Amino acid sequence: SQQGEEDPQALSIQEGENATMNCSYKTSINNLQWYRQNSGRGLVHLILIRSNEREKHSGRLRVTLDTSKKSSSLLITASRAADTASYFCATVLYGNKLVFGAGTILRVKS
Amino acid sequence: GAVVSQHPSWVICKSGTSVKIECRSLDFQATTMFWYRQFPKQSLMLMATSNEGSKATYEQGVEKDKFLINHASLTLSTLTVTSAHPEDSSFYICSAKKGTGGGNQPQHFGDGTRLSIL
Repeated sequence: SQQGEEDPQALSIQEGENATMNCSYKTSINNLQWYRQNSGRGLVHLILIRSNEREKHSGRLRVTLDTSKKSSSLLITASRAADTASYFCATVLYGNKLVFGAGTILRVKS
Repeated sequence: GAVVSQHPSWVICKSGTSVKIECRSLDFQATTMFWYRQFPKQSLMLMATSNEGSKATYEQGVEKDKFLINHASLTLSTLTVTSAHPEDSSFYICSAKKGTGGGNQPQHFGDGTRLSIL
């Protein structure tokens, strides 16, 4: 089974609104990463948060990590139509292997 | 930057054909590359880890004789789907890590190859 599970599975919002996606994982981690995938394309790395960090910001992105609950959230503020994509969280297992969550499909309507 | 180029971007071919997909790191050396498979509206599933100069490590359930991986240089890994059949139709994506970076380094992804077997 996937290491990370995400919710919601799909999210539709209006441009300008904030979008929040959640991710839960099962085992201990060194870090958790978030990636974006535009339709039919590869993945783009968004942000990496280490296990000893609780919150991290990058532009309009804010990621939190709660290791006690084994969960993370990705917040996109002031969303734009161009943010429409699938978002995946991923954890690193042995051998530097990434294990991805099921993903959240975000649609931002203009 | 860290650019990974994947080629071709899409392939349509007849059942029984073998198809080779290339993954190149354009501006960095990648000791390790990864190959993933993705079905529509699903997440990425790791197929194998490609190590330069050594045999690839395959995930459980992935047939190594079906999916041949060669990582002959620090900038190129290839995945060959041998004797492809319609059930092999999927979106294949590669990724690479810079140098020998550990788990705290992100992976850099190619744009994927959509394979359709008729």
